[in-house]
Amino acid sequence: DGGITQSPKYLFRKEGQNVTLSCEQNLNHDAMYWYRQDPGQGLRLIYYSQIVNDFQKGDIAEGYSVSREKKESFPLTVTSAQKNPTAFYLCASSIARGGGYNEQFFGPGTRLTVL
Amino acid sequence: GENVEQHPSTLSVQEGDSAVIKCTYSDSASNYFPWYKQELGKGPQLIIDIRSNVGEKKDQRIAVTLNKTAKHFSLHITETQPEDSAVYFCAARESGGSNYKLTFGKGTLLTVNP
Repeated sequence: DGGITQSPKYLFRKEGQNVTLSCEQNLNHDAMYWYRQDPGQGLRLIYYSQIVNDFQKGDIAEGYSVSREKKESFPLTVTSAQKNPTAFYLCASSIARGGGYNEQFFGPGTRLTVL
Repeated sequence: GENVEQHPSTLSVQEGDSAVIKCTYSDSASNYFPWYKQELGKGPQLIIDIRSNVGEKKDQRIAVTLNKTAKHFSLHITETQPEDSAVYFCAARESGGSNYKLTFGKGTLLTVNP
């Protein structure tokens, strides 16, 4: 069963703690993305990676870090430097060729609440 | 960078009516415009997309139109059904190089009343 998995679905952390969100895909996609979704704000790009061992900042990268050591995995760390970390986080993947007209497939999301 | 505006933010229709959601974009070089549907508690799912060399595309009850001159594109849903109730997002992709980034609108909450 191919797709993207994100775990956990709900995550609670105390203020000041770093937390890592998991994203795994078995679609053999080269590109992977992390978005943040807040009510009324749409999807905002945090980081993206088009190939293993390479990634670029999106529009709201401050306070976040990523790694891309394996093609199928793209974990996101929300650091204590992120001022408003409570949000719904979505991971996506796509193929990375064909002129960019490529569907992004989304995972089910992780809702992070920082207390 | 690209900026995408989406209207309306909420839309309520009666079952069987049509629904139209409109988006404008700022970068005239953008060349790919997908629409995503997000049901409650789930990730968005692509429902239709259009490239800049096409003016209209249909898929059963869903259609998208693109006006490159005015830099706007619209989603049309005909014969709406309660299962069409969801949040819909438009997006635009900047052209050029190996950039696969999408810029999303803020979403439209569509409610179809039985």
